[in-house]
Formats: sequence, structure tokens, C-alpha cells
Amino acid sequence: KAGVTQTPRYLIKTRGQQVTLSCSPISGHRSVSWYQQTPGQGLQFLFEYFSETQRNKGNFPGRFSGRQFSNSRSEMNVSTLELGDSALYLCASSLAGRAGELFFGEGSRLTVL
Amino acid sequence: GESVGLHLPTLSVQEGDNSIINCAYSNSASDYFIWYKQESGKGPQFIIDIRSNMDKRQGQRVTVLLNKTVKHLSLQIAATQPGDSAVYFCADLVGGSYIPTFGRGTSLIVHP
Repeated sequence: KAGVTQTPRYLIKTRGQQVTLSCSPISGHRSVSWYQQTPGQGLQFLFEYFSETQRNKGNFPGRFSGRQFSNSRSEMNVSTLELGDSALYLCASSLAGRAGELFFGEGSRLTVL
Repeated sequence: GESVGLHLPTLSVQEGDNSIINCAYSNSASDYFIWYKQESGKGPQFIIDIRSNMDKRQGQRVTVLLNKTVKHLSLQIAATQPGDSAVYFCADLVGGSYIPTFGRGTSLIVHP
């Protein structure tokens, strides 16, 4: 069974630009979560989607948004990029009823210059 | 703030030794705890979990201990191998929540 796939793996943007990251969950997993990982803050929860609905949201500004499609694939978007948005963005999927058992992708490494 | 924290940022051990990674949590409502391993360049990987109605759970070379009295969680790795070198995260989940809260992580370095 294929794992969680995230694209792109690496990207460089400049301040003020926007970025869209994509995540394909494990087949059959309907919950998709996004996390931001930085050396200083660790793993910070962004949002979680289930059946195309945002079910939970972390404490990030409105510049961070996401969506989930009917096939459970998910995208997250960051608008008006800031230097502090440089991070590894991780997507994780899970089975319904198995909230703590997350299967992570390898992440998208975003560098903002 | 985070409800879960790690006691030490880095743990160095010799190959073959047993490793113990500690974690403290503050939310008494947490009832599910998970350990993840993150190797360099990869996403975190689920290792083992434990529910609050248990004190101990064993996996392959790993054991998780839960002390609810002092709100403490530990991960023991037996006969540590170089392949165990990674950052280890504990996470907790409050009953009814879908979102685990992660601690900062402990970097385990295994010296051959």
C-alpha cells in the first residue's frame, strides 16, 4: 500500500508570494492533517480535514488555508509568505477512529527568501 | 501552550545499551499517548501507543511506561542500534479529540 505522498518536496519562494502544497493520503484514510515543523517550535498543528470538511484548526493566521477533495487528497495554501514561514510542512493521514495513529509523508521543505 | 514536553533535547548512547527517553504531560484529561520516531529527512513514524488504562505496553525492542500519578511517559529501547538514531516525539490525545499534541522531541544518537 502506498504511503502518504507530498509534493513538491522542496521549494523556494520569496516574501509576498504564495504557495500551494499537495498531499495524497493512504488509500482509505479519510482524515488528513497538516503540521508545520520548525527547529524552534517543533510540530505545530495547522488543520485537519475529514470528508472534505475542516474539522479542526490550529492557531495560525488566516494566510494559512487548506482544503480536501472528494478523493481525500488535500492541499494547503500559504499566501503573502513571510520569512518565518520557512519550515517543513508535514501531511499526515489516519483512519477514522484512529486519531492518534498518524501516517506522515516526508514533507514539503519551504524556504522563504 | 503545549501539554507535552521532553526532559532532554539530546540523548547519546553506545550501541547495545538500553535507551530511555522521557516525557512529561500536564493535561490530566489526556488518555492516549503515542511515540513517534523521525529519521533525518523523513516524516515521523508511529512506534507505539498506550492508553491511560494501562501502565506498560511492549513492542518489538520498545516498551512504553505510563505513570499517571506524576504524569510521566517513557520510551525504553532495548539493545539500541545505530538505526535507532532519530528524533523521538511523544504526543498525547485528550479523549474525544482528533488532534494529538506533540512534544518538542529528543534526539537519540547511537554511537557504534
